[in-house]
Amino acid sequence: AQKITQTQPGMFVQEKEAVTLDCTYDTSDQSYGLFWYKQPSSGEMIFLIYQGSYDEQNATEGRYSLNFQKARKSANLVISASQLGDSAMYFCAMREGPSTSGTYKYIFGTGTRLKVLA
Amino acid sequence: DGGITQSPKYLFRKEGQNVTLSCEQNLNHDAMYWYRQDPGQGLRLIYYSQIVNDFQKGDIAEGYSVSREKKESFPLTVTSAQKNPTAFYLCASSIGLFQPQHFGDGTRLSIL
Repeated sequence: AQKITQTQPGMFVQEKEAVTLDCTYDTSDQSYGLFWYKQPSSGEMIFLIYQGSYDEQNATEGRYSLNFQKARKSANLVISASQLGDSAMYFCAMREGPSTSGTYKYIFGTGTRLKVLA
Repeated sequence: DGGITQSPKYLFRKEGQNVTLSCEQNLNHDAMYWYRQDPGQGLRLIYYSQIVNDFQKGDIAEGYSVSREKKESFPLTVTSAQKNPTAFYLCASSIGLFQPQHFGDGTRLSIL
């Protein structure tokens, strides 16, 4: 079963509008972390925002906010006031662990390609 | 400027050859990671290291090996045992284990 699901392979948004990128996750751990990364066409991955499973407030970083709904196991990324430079692939990721053997898992979704229209 | 340097940017391998991908960071981060990305896919974790001289297998470690002799360096060797090595490889580091990660620009490996 997919641990991280991003159901939107592609999204369009008009410049200056807000957009929500969906991410649902599956874990039985009580302690986990959720991350969003941006990957422009040049290939590098850029960290955007982090939410811990015990954090009660939704994380915000500038124009990025994470809509964390723990009971629904969703961690959607909201980008406000979209800019042309926001056009990229966006990946949701989850950290599980440490396990009883001390290991971790770090799992990425398949990504959503966002295109911002002028 | 602090950052992560991966080299080379493009690498070609002949069948049966081992190749080593370089990753150097000057961020003074303790943790380092290697990921593989295939077209249309998310990243998959190959190996990670929390401190010098210690590393752990990720989800797809078979056919790969790493070393962590220095804090700044975490080279990845793609061995001949890796039957499908063509992919984009990304190195990353973080202050603590699995905290937000900084990534290099990647190495694209192809088989001749």
